[in-house]
This record gives sequence, C-alpha cells and structure tokens, in this order.
Amino acid sequence: QKEVEQDPGPLSVPEGAIVSLNCTYSNSAFQYFMWYRQYSRKGPELLMYTYSSGNKEDGRFTAQVDKSSKYISLFIRDSQPSDSATYLCAMNFRSGAGGTSYGKLTFGQGTILTVHP
Amino acid sequence: ETGVTQTPRHLVMGMTNKKSLKCEQHLGHNAMYWYKQSAKKPLELMFVYNFKEQTENNSVPSRFSPECPNSSHLFLHLHTLQPEDSALYLCASSRRARQARGEKLFFGSGTQLSVL
Repeated sequence: QKEVEQDPGPLSVPEGAIVSLNCTYSNSAFQYFMWYRQYSRKGPELLMYTYSSGNKEDGRFTAQVDKSSKYISLFIRDSQPSDSATYLCAMNFRSGAGGTSYGKLTFGQGTILTVHP
Repeated sequence: ETGVTQTPRHLVMGMTNKKSLKCEQHLGHNAMYWYKQSAKKPLELMFVYNFKEQTENNSVPSRFSPECPNSSHLFLHLHTLQPEDSALYLCASSRRARQARGEKLFFGSGTQLSVL
C-alpha cells in the first residue's frame, strides 16, 4: 500500500466548475499537508499549506484536512483555464530529535487537471 | 526566472558519459534538495543538504553524486547512468532543513534527463 494515494486522473472540467481533488494517506504520523501546482515543463509551486484538521481558504482555493479519516482535499471554485496543471498533494511529519523534519515530503502521484473554456 | 534556477533544462547523455546538473537558489535559504520525478510516479527525495552538510541520502545509487559547496549552490554529478534513470530532476530549497512545523519547499523548473 502506498503511503499517499492520489487519483492521477486526468480530470477535465468546464470553465467555472468547482473542482475537487483528493488524497488519502495511511501514516497517521503525518501532520503537515501541502498542495503543489505544477505546470507543464515547470517545477511544483506551493499552493496551500496547513497543519490542522479543518478548512483553510485562499481566494478560490480551499484546502480541507480530515485527520480522523486520513483524507485531504483541495477545492477550486470558479475554475479557469489557467488552473490547468498537475496538482500534487504532499505531507510530512515530525521526525528526529527535537521534533524536526528534513524536507522528507511524501508526495502523491499528482492529478492532471484540464479546465476547458 | 524563479528563485531557484536549474541548468541545463534538457540533457541527453549516453550510458558512459559524465555530466553534472547545477542548481542555484537566490532566496537566502540554507537547505537544498534533489528530487526525482518519473512519469506516473510520485516525486522521490534523493538528497538533502542543510548548511552545506548532507543530512539525507535516500538510498540513491552511487552513480549519482551530489555536491553542495555553499548554501546557494547544489550539483548532481552523473556517471554511468542507466536508461531507467531518465526522469525530471528537480532541485528545491527551504529556509532550513530542521523546522518544527515541516518544510515549505521552493522548486526549480528541473532538468529533463534522457539516458540513451
């Protein structure tokens, strides 16, 4: 079983639709959750970062974390063609002395999203 | 260009060649990372450097040799690679590798490597 499961899609939606992207994970030690967006031929860029259960909103984007179900989601409202990209979930946990981590992010496979006009 | 610059953008090499990938960050960060991104697979962490010291080697074969001369520069030296090493190699940086609340990584655009 993979530590992080993410449906690779592809997902195609019309402009203006609400998009829901999801990841499930198996390691209950994960505490910090991120969503990255990766455009074609570019590196991933951090979109959302959260470390607590519940919702976090930033403009048209809402990140949702449910630690009890080991499930995270990213919602995109009023989707635009410019949102077309691969969306990667990532997570890590405290490890090592003093509760620190070493950038050991565990990524999902990524979901390819296309928003068509 | 972003705060993390990688060169070259594309590289084609034979199995007997020796080449190097370069990464430079302009963000004042102290930690740098190499990740490998293969088609239809999640990103895989390869190496972590914190204040120029290697803190993580994720069981990477010795044909990949990292070098970090200072906190702003990171190299990945390649020799006698295999075709299955073809992938996108991404460099990333963060303020420091020891952070109590996890890392916010900033990635470069990557080097697309093809091994023939």
